[in-house]
Amino acid sequence: EVQLVESGGDLVKPGGSLRLSCAASGFTFSNAWMSWVRQAPGKGLEWIGRIHKRIEGGTTEYAAAVKGRFTISRDDSKNTLYLQLNNLKTEDTAVYYCTARIVAECERWGQGTLVTVSS
Amino acid sequence: QTVVTQEPSLTVSPGGTVTLTCASSTGAVTSGHYPNWVQQKPGHTPRALIYAAINKHSWTPARFSGSLLGDKAALTLSGVQPEDEAEYYCLLFYGDSWVFGGGTKLTVL
Repeated sequence: EVQLVESGGDLVKPGGSLRLSCAASGFTFSNAWMSWVRQAPGKGLEWIGRIHKRIEGGTTEYAAAVKGRFTISRDDSKNTLYLQLNNLKTEDTAVYYCTARIVAECERWGQGTLVTVSS
Repeated sequence: QTVVTQEPSLTVSPGGTVTLTCASSTGAVTSGHYPNWVQQKPGHTPRALIYAAINKHSWTPARFSGSLLGDKAALTLSGVQPEDEAEYYCLLFYGDSWVFGGGTKLTVL
């Protein structure tokens, strides 16, 4: 069974940093493109970015809203995806979901982790 | 800034048929946008339903179908069930990024 378990969400002050993790199981993690999606309270889904397979160079792509502040990385030896969030703003407050592309983008979802940015 | 537009809300009667659409600010939605559809029930994690415009995942109920309709992507629910009440999001590919639509709140009444 495919499982994605996010962790690391917390309350952080504006300008602060945070690293989220996503532990994957039930599929060959190294073969999957992985993405992050967020959802602000009461709002819709927002695609943040993704990372390709390591064998394809592990290249990353980001939405314009987060480019330069957020960084996606992966550790295939630990079956774990990461999202480094820097220079956080109040508008970054959201539930952050990890998703896996096994056949299609955002095919499998984790349960999400809440990041709250507030002074 | 690319914008993906969906109907904000739709209402359908149980057993009825409804079509949700997804438009792109850049022009016609094509197979090259690999349209995906995602369902999110209140208080729940999103769940993928359709990918590459027409393809269903193994868990997608048969009453859901995807298509390209004119210059938009479309999600049609036939024989709507009360449990289909949810928010539905489309997701389109733009070369080096993906963009979600604003979502359609489907009410079954």
